[in-house]
Amino acid sequence: DTEVTQTPKHLVMGMTNKKSLKCEQHMGHRAMYWYKQKAKKPPELMFVYSYEKLSINESVPSRFSPECPNSSLLNLHLHALQPEDSALYLCASSQGNTGGYEQYFGPGTRLTVT
Amino acid sequence: AQKVTQAQTEISVVEKEDVTLDCVYETRDTTYYLFWYKQPPSGELVFLIRRNSFDEQNEISGRYSWNFQKSTSSFNFTITASQVVDSAVYFCALSEMSGGGADGLTFGKGTHLIIQP
Repeated sequence: DTEVTQTPKHLVMGMTNKKSLKCEQHMGHRAMYWYKQKAKKPPELMFVYSYEKLSINESVPSRFSPECPNSSLLNLHLHALQPEDSALYLCASSQGNTGGYEQYFGPGTRLTVT
Repeated sequence: AQKVTQAQTEISVVEKEDVTLDCVYETRDTTYYLFWYKQPPSGELVFLIRRNSFDEQNEISGRYSWNFQKSTSSFNFTITASQVVDSAVYFCALSEMSGGGADGLTFGKGTHLIIQP
């Protein structure tokens, strides 16, 4: 089973709201990722968790706050977002945290900030 | 710094034609990995293939084939006898080993493939 699930599928939030995106995998993968994808652009890496510890933060604004409660779950907490943060947010996981492992992606959460 | 270039922004062919998607990469590492992903309109990125820098053998999987040439830093993807279901955006991606950890994937800009019936 190579499934990564993400909830919700769609999210509309105002600039003063607080919301969370959730990601789950049951493949025993030890690395999990958040990517942001704007329309007609490639995914851009935001965060990497390796063995439940944040290993990479690609200079993402603090209004995005990741959390990895356990090896199967990855959250992205959102607060005070801007309209330009509207995008598809993709979660991925891989078996290990080195470059050689393929990443498996979830279906994404399509976020609209009003 | 690593870079992936997919020069073809959009390709449109008629069903059953063969089509090749180009990918050129740049890296200073001797150990690296190349990937192809498919993104249909639904949005989910689907993993297609991984290739490491020490394995230049071409690979065929059904109608899909990949040509990896280190001499030209290219990793091209060919779909034979294309079908409408192949319509999607295809991303080539690169991952290096020098960081010692997960650096995520560096994606090309993608090629939008349209297969017309």
